[in-house]
Amino acid sequence: SYELTQPPSESVSPGQTARITCSGDALPKQFAYWYQQKPGQAPVLVIYKDTERPSGIPERFSGSSSGTTVTLTISGVQAEDEADYFCQSADSSGTSVVFGGGTKLTVL
Amino acid sequence: QVTLKESGPVLVKPTETLTLTCTVSGFSLSNAKMGVIWIRQPPGKAPEWLAHIFSNDEKSYSTSLRNRLTISMDTSKTQVVLTMINTDPVDTATYYCARIPEQFPYYFDYWGQGTLVTVSS
Repeated sequence: SYELTQPPSESVSPGQTARITCSGDALPKQFAYWYQQKPGQAPVLVIYKDTERPSGIPERFSGSSSGTTVTLTISGVQAEDEADYFCQSADSSGTSVVFGGGTKLTVL
Repeated sequence: QVTLKESGPVLVKPTETLTLTCTVSGFSLSNAKMGVIWIRQPPGKAPEWLAHIFSNDEKSYSTSLRNRLTISMDTSKTQVVLTMINTDPVDTATYYCARIPEQFPYYFDYWGQGTLVTVSS
């Protein structure tokens, strides 16, 4: 079955830039989406269609895509950004929804 | 204001059938573009797609679970029900429903708060 691969953890100091990657063979064909999840809460969509930001999401969140890797970038990280981040996409046929394993972002 | 709310049992015994209901408000599932998805997340693990449905009754199921799942929408188009047969302790998870704002591609812009279901004897 199709898989999306994320690093299990990343750490960054406040004010620095965090970059979280997600790799998958079908990413050149399928859009990627990013969700932020804080403990005990439901996921929140922070990036859709590779690079679009939903209303209400701070501008410091951005997304990019290059080949089989997509990247979530958080510029000027704040303490409140500490969370788990999951990427989501579809398999090459577009019929199966797939989530990455998640990256725990720690703000030092 | 878009809201989704999951309801169902907190505890089920192994082999029993689990029935979960997602009640939506603030948007219309009569909109052919919009749908509802069920996703589960075992403690400490990543979310897992289970099934989704659109108002035209288009449905899709996770390949690994399709033999155990049934998804349906009520005639008022305000509730989506997921049924899972033959439950097992590995099905213990928080179950979420979420809105799909476009028929394709699939992504989820509003989520319910989730409901923790434990499968145990």
